[in-house]
Amino acid sequence: DVKVTQSSRYLVKRTGEKVFLECVQDMDHENMFWYRQDPGLGLRLIYFSYDVKMKEKGDIPEGYSVSREKKERFSLILESASTNQTSMYLCASRRPQGGTGELFFGEGSRLTVL
Amino acid sequence: AQRVTQPEKLLSVFKGAPVELKCNYSYSGSPELFWYVQYSRQRLQLLLRHISRESIKGFTADLNKGETSFHLKKPFAQEEDSAMYYCALSGRGDYKLSFGAGTTVTVRA
Repeated sequence: DVKVTQSSRYLVKRTGEKVFLECVQDMDHENMFWYRQDPGLGLRLIYFSYDVKMKEKGDIPEGYSVSREKKERFSLILESASTNQTSMYLCASRRPQGGTGELFFGEGSRLTVL
Repeated sequence: AQRVTQPEKLLSVFKGAPVELKCNYSYSGSPELFWYVQYSRQRLQLLLRHISRESIKGFTADLNKGETSFHLKKPFAQEEDSAMYYCALSGRGDYKLSFGAGTTVTVRA
């Protein structure tokens, strides 16, 4: 079974703090993704990485950065957290398979910024 | 730009009734379409993809390129189908996968 593990299930941070969300997958997948999930807005892509040290902006990258130094790990960084970044963050990974590959998701990290 | 639209936020049906979840997309190239589902307190997971042309848990979805739609259908809804459903799109050979806003389905006894 593919396992995507997000290190923190629940976080509470203060405005202006730097926040790290970590994601690890154990199936040697090339592609990794960070989404945020908000009611009524669905999943919005923040950043994705198609391979180690490669990254591309998604639809809402402002206020976020990412790091992919190793194939199994994809980190999402909030340089200076703001209240509008309160959300559920989902990490996912997949083999590309020409765009048809199945995404495997983590359990999510619920971030609250006060 | 690629876009996925799910016009219904909420859908409530009775057990045994048919259910259809609408999905429309906008994409200039060859699309790959998917349906993902999230049951209560579970991870988001793949339900089906158009390229497989399969029926999963009684659900089917047909890609209609003329209407740019990929509606999800099940003839007889079950209580265990209650969940959040997301339609998703990727371009063939593309890495990016875009999701719709989701539809919450409640199946009543």
